[in-house]
This record gives sequence, structure tokens and C-alpha cells, in this order.
Amino acid sequence: NAGVMQNPRHLVRRRGQEARLRCSPMKGHSHVYWYRQLPEEGLKFMVYLQKENIIDESGMPKERFSAEFPKEGPSILRIQQVVRGDSAAYFCASSPQRLAGDTGELFFGEGSRLTVL
Amino acid sequence: DAKTTQPNSMESNEEEPVHLPCNHSTISGTDYIHWYRQLPSQGPEYVIHGLTSNVNNRMASLAIAEDRKSSTLILHRATLRDAAVYYCIPPAGSNYKLTFGKGTLLTVNP
Repeated sequence: NAGVMQNPRHLVRRRGQEARLRCSPMKGHSHVYWYRQLPEEGLKFMVYLQKENIIDESGMPKERFSAEFPKEGPSILRIQQVVRGDSAAYFCASSPQRLAGDTGELFFGEGSRLTVL
Repeated sequence: DAKTTQPNSMESNEEEPVHLPCNHSTISGTDYIHWYRQLPSQGPEYVIHGLTSNVNNRMASLAIAEDRKSSTLILHRATLRDAAVYYCIPPAGSNYKLTFGKGTLLTVNP
């Protein structure tokens, strides 16, 4: 059973370009979460999606960032007009069901490392 | 949001037990305590979680203080593959909204 797959693993963009990061959840998982890890900081929650729905985007920056999880295909985190401060590792996680109460495990991918020149 | 305090780093020898402490004095009564670890250049990996009583799984044990203000992750026999940053995380209102702090960097000596 393949784990959470993220690509690209490394992405370099110049200021003002767009970055698209893709995440394929584990087989059978329909809940996807995106996290960001800035240099020298811990991971922080960005957005939670289920197929075709954004459930919680309370951690997403208000501008330039968007996420989707279409009916077919991977989840996409899109960053428009990137700036140097967007340089970070972006991690995707998935779960087979909505996490609540005693259900506690997120399965993370290996991350996509974005460098903005 | 609940805050956690962990030592920045700890060292252990291979095949010895490791006790990783965490203080979470502001945790609410219904927040589960999650532990994840992150190996170099990889994504976080779930280790264990619990609410009030001690918990065991194939990876580790979690000892939770009676007042829930602290917990200890126990690796019974450390291996070189256990070298990682260990995060103690009380969720911020939801089990998926985890805020990772700086964690404890565990070094395992052969």
C-alpha cells in the first residue's frame, strides 16, 4: 500500500511565478490536509479538504494561496505570485476518515520543498 | 491554544530505554495528546496518542500524568532508526489541526 505521494519533491521558482504542489493520498483515504514548515519552525496546519470540498481553511494565508481536491486526481496546493517568504517545506497528510475523538493518526508524505529565488 | 514544553535535545545509547518528557499545563480536559516524530528530510510520522490513561503500541508507550499537565513518551529499546525530532502536540481544537513546536531532537549513540 503506497503511502502519501507528493510531487515535486523540490521546486524552484522566481519571485512572481506560480507554484503547484500535488498530493495523492493513501489508497482509501478521502481526507487531505496541507501543512507548511517554514525554516527553523514547526509544521503549521493550512487547510483540510475532502473530495471536492474545503472543510477548514483557517490556516491558509488569505491571498495567493488556494487548494483543491477534485473528484478525480490529486489534491493541489497552488501559490500564485510567489515571494521569498513562501520558501518552505509543504507537507500533505491524509486520513481514511474525519479525525475526531479517539481517531488520531495522520499519514504524512515526504514533503515538497519550495525555494523562491 | 495549549502550549507544550519539551527539552531541545536528548541523547541515548542504542538498546537503552528513552524517556521523552513533555509539559502541557494548559491542555483542556478533552484534548488528546499526540506524539509524532520526524526523521531527517522526511514528513512526520505518527507515534502514539492518548487522553488520560497510559497507552501502548508497537512503537512506544505513553505515560500521562494524573493531572494531565505532563506526559512522557517511552521508547523501550532505542535503535539508531529512532534518531529523530519528537513532537508532543495537543491539538488546537481538532485532531487534525496540529501545531508542531520545535520538539526534542533525539540522538541515539551506537
